[in-house]
Amino acid sequence: KQEVTQIPAALSVPEGENLVLNCSFTDSAIYNLQWFRQDPGKGLTSLLLIQSSQREQTSGRLNASLDKSSGRSTLYIAASQPGDSATYLCAVVYNFNKFYFGSGTKLNVKP
Amino acid sequence: DTAVSQTPKYLVTQMGNDKSIKCEQNLGHDTMYWYKQDSKKFLKIMFSYNNKELIINETVPNRFSPKSPDKAHLNLHINSLELGDSAVYFCASRGLSQETQYFGPGTRLLVL
Repeated sequence: KQEVTQIPAALSVPEGENLVLNCSFTDSAIYNLQWFRQDPGKGLTSLLLIQSSQREQTSGRLNASLDKSSGRSTLYIAASQPGDSATYLCAVVYNFNKFYFGSGTKLNVKP
Repeated sequence: DTAVSQTPKYLVTQMGNDKSIKCEQNLGHDTMYWYKQDSKKFLKIMFSYNNKELIINETVPNRFSPKSPDKAHLNLHINSLELGDSAVYFCASRGLSQETQYFGPGTRLLVL
């Protein structure tokens, strides 16, 4: 059974700091790994997708890395802003269609 | 211009009742999903339909029955609601050649 773990569960940082969110998974036979953002009372928004053959993906201030052999991914957020405050969810995808989500890291960026 | 919409947004009901949640997507996607997010924020897949056919059916009580009248709609009917059914239910969709999913805003179900 696939398990996806995210550490830390919550994180509070002052504005401007760089930060790292962690995701680990038990079965390394993944199709891809995705990072989502969830704002309170809203659905999920896709941020980054890393194919199983890739090591990292970048979008603006976000950089996601993948180490499939060790079952780990990190989401790096540079120069954090209050607007980055949200819950960040990692999803490990198998067989193209089956998504397994972690429980998320709740990020609070203080002005 | 909502891509994936769900109704209702909130649902408060008594134990034992039967209720339905509706989902519609206007993205032209072939695949739709239902997820349950519990109080600990774990998001777990329940069902997936591809072009009106059921392709994923996780271990879900048979009180839950999905119905897809066409590929733009995936509804979820729940019979004999229990306290443990209280959660946020998310609908999502994905295009044939796309690798990510687009989520609806969620339906917050509270069973009293």
